[in-house]
Order: sequence, then structure tokens, then C-alpha cells
Amino acid sequence: EAGVVQSPRYKIIEKKQPVAFWCNPISGHNTLYWYRQNLGQGPELLIRYENEEAVDDSQLPKDRFSAERLKGVDSTLKIQPAELGDSAVYLCASSTGQSYNEQFFGPGTRLTVL
Amino acid sequence: GNSVTQMEGPVTLSEEAFLTINCTYTATGYPSLFWYVQYPGEGLQLLLKATKADDKGSNKGFEATYRKETTSFHLEKGSVQVSDSAVYFCALIERSGNQFYFGTGTSLTVIP
Repeated sequence: EAGVVQSPRYKIIEKKQPVAFWCNPISGHNTLYWYRQNLGQGPELLIRYENEEAVDDSQLPKDRFSAERLKGVDSTLKIQPAELGDSAVYLCASSTGQSYNEQFFGPGTRLTVL
Repeated sequence: GNSVTQMEGPVTLSEEAFLTINCTYTATGYPSLFWYVQYPGEGLQLLLKATKADDKGSNKGFEATYRKETTSFHLEKGSVQVSDSAVYFCALIERSGNQFYFGTGTSLTVIP
């Protein structure tokens, strides 16, 4: 079974530039999560999707961050414009959505904003 | 609110040493508890979990027991190997929710 796929793995941009991350969850997983992991910290939830609906985006900085999950499968997270403080690893995870269910994480995209 | 507190690292041990990584939690409800491991350059992988009080999760020689009275879920392994070098995250999820709350992670390095 293929795991959660993310691309790119690494991205270096200058501040004020836009950037987008892509995630393909495990087949059949209805719930998709985007996390941000700062250096030396645990992941923090940015947004959670149930199918194509964003059911929890309370931690998403909506002035510059946006996300979409068209057709309830792949998802894209965008930052525009990027700031220095956005440098982090952006993790995507998926699950079947049932309580206690394990979340399966992708390898993440390491973003560096110069 | 919900939160997880882990012992700070980094932790450096010799091969075959005993490992304990402390984890305590605060939860408004009755959570399930998890340990995730992150190897260099990889995403988080579930190591073990426990869904109710006194449950013991175990995997690959690692164990953790859900202690409701002390709100703890300490990770232990009797004899670590070099291949156990990674960052370990304690996490919880409430019964009623789908959001994980992670600790800050504890970096473990095992030297031969």
C-alpha cells in the first residue's frame, strides 16, 4: 500500500514569493490534515478536511495561507506571500476519520524562506 | 485545554542501555495516547498506542502504559540499539475529536 505522498520534499524561496505544497493521501482515507512543524517542535495542526470540506481551519493563518482539496482526494496548501517565519516542515497526514484512528504521515516538505 | 509535555532532550545512550522518555498530558476528556517516531528525513510513524487506562502499548521492544492517575504515558525500552536513534513524539487525541496534540519531541541518539 502506498503511503502519503508529498511534493516537493524541499523548497527554498525568497520572502514575499508564493509557494505551494501538494499532498496525495492514502487511497480511501477521507480525512486529510496539514501540519506545520517548526524546528525542535511537534507538529501543529493547520487544517483538517473531511472529504472536500475543511472542518477545522481555526489554526490556519488565513491572511496568507490557503488550502484546497478538490474532489476530496489530493490537497494543496499555499502560502502567498511567504514570510521568514514560515520556514518549517509542512506535513500532510491522512486517516479513515474514525476516532482513535492512526494518522499516517507523509515525509513532509521542508520550506526555507530567505 | 489539551496538551502534552515531554522530557527535554537530547538524550544520548550507549547501545543496550535502558531508555525512558517521560510524557505527561492534560486533557479535558478521556484521550487516547500515542507515541510516534520520526527518523531523519522521514515523516512520523506510529510506534504504539493505548486507548484506555492501564492499557499497555508495545512495539519493537518499546512499551508505554496509560496511567490515568498520574496522567502519564512514559516510553520505555530495555535495550536500545543504534537504529533506535530518532525523535520521539508523545501525542493524544480526544475521544470526541480528530485533532492530535503533540509534545515537542525528544531526540534520542544511541552510540555503539
